[in-house]
Amino acid sequence: GQNIDQPTEMTATEGAIVQINCTYQTSGFNGLFWYQQHAGEAPTFLSYNVLDGLEEKGRFSSFLSRSKGYSYLLLKELQMKDSASYLCAVLDSNYQLIWGAGTKLIIKP
Amino acid sequence: DADVTQTPRNRITKTGKRIMLECSQTKGHDRMYWYRQDPGLGLRLIYYSFDVKDINKGEISDGYSVSRQAQAKFSLSLESAIPNQTALYFCATSDPSDHNEQFFGPGTRLTVL
Repeated sequence: GQNIDQPTEMTATEGAIVQINCTYQTSGFNGLFWYQQHAGEAPTFLSYNVLDGLEEKGRFSSFLSRSKGYSYLLLKELQMKDSASYLCAVLDSNYQLIWGAGTKLIIKP
Repeated sequence: DADVTQTPRNRITKTGKRIMLECSQTKGHDRMYWYRQDPGLGLRLIYYSFDVKDINKGEISDGYSVSRQAQAKFSLSLESAIPNQTALYFCATSDPSDHNEQFFGPGTRLTVL
């Protein structure tokens, strides 16, 4: 079966750095996405990785290792507005997105 | 104006009722999706459509049906609603030329009593 694992919940302090991990086992691989979702709202796109390595976009960076089936999302200089759920999703061989359950990130002052 | 819209945004209904959720998009994307989201379970795919003549079942299609009326419109129906269909429903679109990044509507919160 297809499976994506990410921690259920994480807590971090405003101004700090947090890393959210995602491991996956899917039927094929055509890219990995990270989305941000505030409570009760729609997911919004953060990043896309299809090749190994680090993609940096402002305060957010995403890393991929295809051989390890592993990705992480790195959030720097945390702000209170970063409190949200972060969803990892993999595009499989049929170009279907397989979603993780999401990591709820709680930011404390 | 939003690129992907959903109506209604909230709906409370009773067991056994027929419900239709509608989705419209102005992004010009051929691919459209319906998901449901339950606490702790993430997004689960109900149905998807890669063009007007293409309809495919997703992971959890039982109890649901869809209609792709046009490129811009994709409707989800619950023929006879049951309480465990209470969830947050999202419509999404994507374009394969843009690595299939999915764009989501604002969601419909459905409660079945």
